[in-house]
Formats: sequence, structure tokens, C-alpha cells
Amino acid sequence: KAGVTQTPRYLIKTRGQQVTLSCSPISGHRSVSWYQQTPGQGLQFLFEYFSETQRNKGNFPGRFSGRQFSNSRSEMNVSTLELGDSALYLCASSPLGSGGAEISGAQYFGPGTRLTVL
Amino acid sequence: AQSVTQLDSHVSVSEGTPVLLRCNYSSSYSPSLFWYVQHPNKGLQLLLKYTSAATLVKGINGFEAEFKKSETSFHLTKPSAHMSDAAEYFCVVTSPFSGGYNKLIFGAGTRLAVHP
Repeated sequence: KAGVTQTPRYLIKTRGQQVTLSCSPISGHRSVSWYQQTPGQGLQFLFEYFSETQRNKGNFPGRFSGRQFSNSRSEMNVSTLELGDSALYLCASSPLGSGGAEISGAQYFGPGTRLTVL
Repeated sequence: AQSVTQLDSHVSVSEGTPVLLRCNYSSSYSPSLFWYVQHPNKGLQLLLKYTSAATLVKGINGFEAEFKKSETSFHLTKPSAHMSDAAEYFCVVTSPFSGGYNKLIFGAGTRLAVHP
């Protein structure tokens, strides 16, 4: 099976612009989560989508948003970019969340999109 | 609330010597615990996971971890380090009662250096 893919791998934007990042999960995985990784704050949970619905949300401002399509692909959008948004954005997919009893498992991460805001 | 504390930000070992990366967790409910590894310019890879079955968990590449509830610890060990083990390691906790299993709470990471 192909792994989690993220596009683009690198992005350079300027303050005030907006950006859209894309994530394609492993085939059959319906849950997609997004994380931000920075040297100062480490890895932080942004949000999780399952069946086109946001199930969980981290403590990020409303400038960070996302969506999931019927084929489970997900996008995240950051509007009005700030210098502090420079980070590695990681997407992860999981086979969990199909309803009924949740069984803890693992998430499978993509290589990330490195966003630089100038 | 859940949290994870990785007790060492940097660990340096010689090739062939044991590795110990320390992790303490805090969770109000029965947690699931993971160790992930991140090689430079790569995504995160799952090393192993604890999900309330056996307390000694074996993972890939010779790593293992022991869940100790009384000490709230989940330390990662390997008997003999290899040069390819040099990477950053993250201890992770999650719970179905605090955001769900797909909301991972990461530790700050431990950078492992392996010297010849």
C-alpha cells in the first residue's frame, strides 16, 4: 500500500497570504489528523477529520482550518499567515474511528510540508 | 489532562552500548502509549505501542519499552545501539476519554546521538 502523501513538500509564502496544504491518506483509512512541528513548541495537534467531519480540534486560532473530502483526502488552510506559522506540517492517517468500540492503535505519518513564512 | 515528559532532551551513546530514553506520563484514564522516531527530513515512524496488554512491549529495530503504572513511566530501551539509530524519539500518550485515540499528545523529544 502506498503511504501517506503530502503536497507540496516545501512552500514559501509572505505574511498576510494564505496557504492550502494537501494530504492523501493510506487507502482505506478514514481518519486524517494534522500536526504542527516547530523547534519551540514541538509537535502539536491541530485537528482530526473523520468522514468529512471535524472530530477533534487543538488549541489553534481560527486562521487554521481544514476539511476532508468523500475520498478521505484532506486539506488544511492557513489564512493571514504570520511569521510564527513557519513550521513542518504533518498529516497522519489512521484506520481507527469506524464506529463502535474504539481500539487504540497507531497513526501513519506523511513526510510533511515545510512552510516558510517571510 | 494528559501530558508526557521526556526526561532527557539529548542522549549520546557509543555504538554497541545500551540505549535508555526516559519518558514519564500523566493521564487521568487508562492511556495508550507510543514511541515514534523521526529521522532527519523524514516523517514520524511508529516504533512500538502499549495498549493495556503486556507491559513489556517489543518494537521494531530491537527497541522495547516497559509500561510501569506505579512509576507512570514508559522508558524506551535497546541493548546495543547502531549508528542508524541516531534520530529524534518522541514519547506519545493518548486516551479515548480525552480527545479520542487519534489525538496524540507528544513529548518534547529526545535527540539520540550514536558515536563510533
